[in-house]
Amino acid sequence: GAGVSQSPSNKVTEKGKDVELRCDPISGHTALYWYRQSLGQGLEFLIYFQGNSAPDKSGLPSDRFSAERTGGSVSTLTIQRTQQEDSAVYLCASSLETAGGYTFGSGTRLTVV
Amino acid sequence: TQLLEQSPQFLSIQEGENLTVYCNSSSVFSSLQWYRQEPGEGPVLLVTVVTGGEVKKLKRLTFQFGDARKDSSLHITAAQPGDTGLYLCAGVNSGTYKYIFGTGTRLKVLA
Repeated sequence: GAGVSQSPSNKVTEKGKDVELRCDPISGHTALYWYRQSLGQGLEFLIYFQGNSAPDKSGLPSDRFSAERTGGSVSTLTIQRTQQEDSAVYLCASSLETAGGYTFGSGTRLTVV
Repeated sequence: TQLLEQSPQFLSIQEGENLTVYCNSSSVFSSLQWYRQEPGEGPVLLVTVVTGGEVKKLKRLTFQFGDARKDSSLHITAAQPGDTGLYLCAGVNSGTYKYIFGTGTRLKVLA
């Protein structure tokens, strides 16, 4: 696609429910990143994919968080048993090469009530 | 842990004024980028600087990378309401892939 597409744009969920966030990167971009942005905060790195592999998962806050990427394209970030502190904007970015500039999606605003 | 501190955190100015935003670290980066983020959107890349002392201009925006590649500045001349947004710097080291983002400067330009 022309840009990075994320869905849903907004998600309100009850505490304890599981959620799935989707990212469709720019076609041909091999690198894909997930970041989290809490209100008034900077961007917090979550996970990086090169192709379908995730060489760095070090930013995932807990084992409730997982992500996968299939076909070197679409990625899904899953949060199990959501907690209120998971509320944030989840941003996905892709790039043509690992040190290239990112193209970000518009994000998914997750609210856990 | 590499950190990027931005200052000021918040800035509210009148249209037509000039301003400078700073991005500082105690670590060296091989390249540094500046992004602007508007409400409800993801950050948009403005510029990448890679050489110590490098200066790049983008219309009314001037970006400078410090000689030691530890800091950077963004200067806006004659600010306009359309410049309003969150400005983020992000640094990366060669051979790595993970950009470290700064704390952000929230700019509001009043008409």
